[in-house]
Amino acid sequence: DIVMTQSPLSLPVTPGEPASISCRSSQSLLHSNGYNYLNWYVQKPGQSPQLLIYLGSNRASGVPGRFSGSGSGTDFTLKISRVEAEDVGVYYCMQALQSPLFTFGPGTKVDIK
Amino acid sequence: EVQLLESGGGLVQPGGSLRLSCTASGFTFSTYAMTWVRQAPGKGLEWVSGISNSGDNTDYADSVKGRFTISRDNSKNKLYLQMNSLRAEDTAVYYCAKETSYGFVDYWGQGTLVTVSS
Repeated sequence: DIVMTQSPLSLPVTPGEPASISCRSSQSLLHSNGYNYLNWYVQKPGQSPQLLIYLGSNRASGVPGRFSGSGSGTDFTLKISRVEAEDVGVYYCMQALQSPLFTFGPGTKVDIK
Repeated sequence: EVQLLESGGGLVQPGGSLRLSCTASGFTFSTYAMTWVRQAPGKGLEWVSGISNSGDNTDYADSVKGRFTISRDNSKNKLYLQMNSLRAEDTAVYYCAKETSYGFVDYWGQGTLVTVSS
């Protein structure tokens, strides 16, 4: 099974400042079709998870432009250019290369300082 | 608008059974694979089981293999999870989720809570 790790696990942020979360996989998520099968989700307090970034770097519909995903192979990053108060929640990376045997990172809790 | 509505959760004793249902709308259900993901209280996300669009192929996490059965009824736009021999460690919110044609999850239901306790 592919093991996913994230850092940091807790991220206090200041509104208006940038934030970055790292995700690493135990094996490459680069598919033969050229896509990295790495996705990012956010679970806001009291809500279900929602898709933020798919296939490494593509923003899901309705996701603000301040969110971006990058990386390839085993190392990926989610960046928030300027954090807003509504961005608090737990951010998860998930590998889909071994679909449907998905595995998630442990989550990064983002809250306001 | 894609909607996934889970039902069937509740309190059950260890060793008992429950059947979760998920009613889908807003998309052509029979076209897409579906999956169940769970979240224990205060914990992260754990994939539980997946099923192909036709229902011919199913997969299970090792933690539930032999105890849980996933199925679907495309004529009713419904996904199911039959859970037998339940254990305390199965206590979680269970989410129904839709997969894309690329094989990742794009929509989640609101979840249904399963509590296994005597």
